[in-house]
Amino acid sequence: EIVLTQSPATLSLSPGERATLSCRASQSVSIYLAWYQQKPGQAPRLLIYDASTRATGIPARFSGSGSGTDFTLTISSLEPEDSAVYYCQQRINWRALTFGGGTKVDIK
Amino acid sequence: QVHLVESGGGVVQPGRSLRLSCAASGFSFSNFAMHWVRQAPGKGLEWVAVIWSDGSHEFYANSVKGRFTISRDTSKDTVYLQLSNLRVEDTAVYYCAREMSLDPSVRAYYFDYWGQGTQVTVSS
Repeated sequence: EIVLTQSPATLSLSPGERATLSCRASQSVSIYLAWYQQKPGQAPRLLIYDASTRATGIPARFSGSGSGTDFTLTISSLEPEDSAVYYCQQRINWRALTFGGGTKVDIK
Repeated sequence: QVHLVESGGGVVQPGRSLRLSCAASGFSFSNFAMHWVRQAPGKGLEWVAVIWSDGSHEFYANSVKGRFTISRDTSKDTVYLQLSNLRVEDTAVYYCAREMSLDPSVRAYYFDYWGQGTQVTVSS
């Protein structure tokens, strides 16, 4: 099983600031990594897939980068509605899809 | 628009069974693989199972293999998850999710639409 480790566990920033979230894989997943946003009481929402491609309707302030074992989700200028937990997910081992433990983003 | 609605959750004793349903609408159900993903209280996401668009293949997480069964009924645009021999650690919100389609010949294994989830609580 591929383990995805996300850091930091919590990020507390102000509106307008830049958020940088990390996801590290226990082995290479090439570019086959996605990012999801989950707000309290809601289902997850796909933000980024294949490491850097924004999903339909996702604002340009969300961007993804990385390959191999190290990936980053960047929110260029935080909005109050970006307060949520963010998860990464790998799909290279499609028989055992895995998610990271999540990073909580708090907007001060 | 795409809509996924889960049902069938509830409170059940350890060792008992439950069947979850996920009714799909707003897209051509038979063209998409479908998954179940769960989330234990206060925890992260855990992939549970997938069934291919034509129902020909199913795969499961090791934690549920041999106890859970995924199936689909194209005539009803519905995917099911049969939960058997339930354990306390199966307590979670269960989401059904549609696998996104990047290319007809390439599987994506990412999830572009999710239902609202159904709560399963296993407790004596």
